[in-house]
Amino acid sequence: ILNVEQSPQSLHVQEGDSTNFTCSFPSSNFYALHWYRWETAKSPEALFVMTLNGDEKKKGRISATLNTKEGYSYLYIKGSQPEDSATYLCADYRDNTDKLIFGTGTRLQVFP
Amino acid sequence: NAGVTQTPKFQVLKTGQSMTLQCAQDMNHEYMSWYRQDPGMGLRLIHYSVGAGITDQGEVPNGYNVSRSTTEDFPLRLLSAAPSQTSVYFCASSYSNAREAFFGQGTRLTVV
Repeated sequence: ILNVEQSPQSLHVQEGDSTNFTCSFPSSNFYALHWYRWETAKSPEALFVMTLNGDEKKKGRISATLNTKEGYSYLYIKGSQPEDSATYLCADYRDNTDKLIFGTGTRLQVFP
Repeated sequence: NAGVTQTPKFQVLKTGQSMTLQCAQDMNHEYMSWYRQDPGMGLRLIHYSVGAGITDQGEVPNGYNVSRSTTEDFPLRLLSAAPSQTSVYFCASSYSNAREAFFGQGTRLTVV
């Protein structure tokens, strides 16, 4: 992996379903992994910043895990609600640059 | 709290015109960045700064200049606007790239 990659590109789920997305990033020179939630016509807002291998973070129904050795992070949403509809972005920061580089995002739509 | 303030919110330019997008933050953040958002491309880093007097190029710097004379301000200059620069531009700031980034409300730029 040379760049930050996210999958799937888009996801449609029913209200109440649980879902998860993947962020893959280069494992070399890892320093931090960010997750952002981006609603249409608004600005991205931070969900989590993770730095340690094995990190798990939780905010309400949303949680994230981090594996720095294999270069991936999962974002989980339990019991999706229509208000969870947004694009979820991840970004990585490597300690040999000062750049925060984003993936292209996963667009989630939750139908009532 | 103002946070990150971008001006203007909307702008239409003719090809060849120059302009400056303004970004100011009141959180005493050292790190500031400019991103552009295009359909299917996520957020791409244009230029960034790790402190007053220090700037560097991101992923897509061509056609843009920046300067950072104060901690608070990080203007983005379009030297000679081209239709390919039609995009939504976001400014972001943070204490460091290992901490969450705060985004401005975006500037929608159209070059005709």
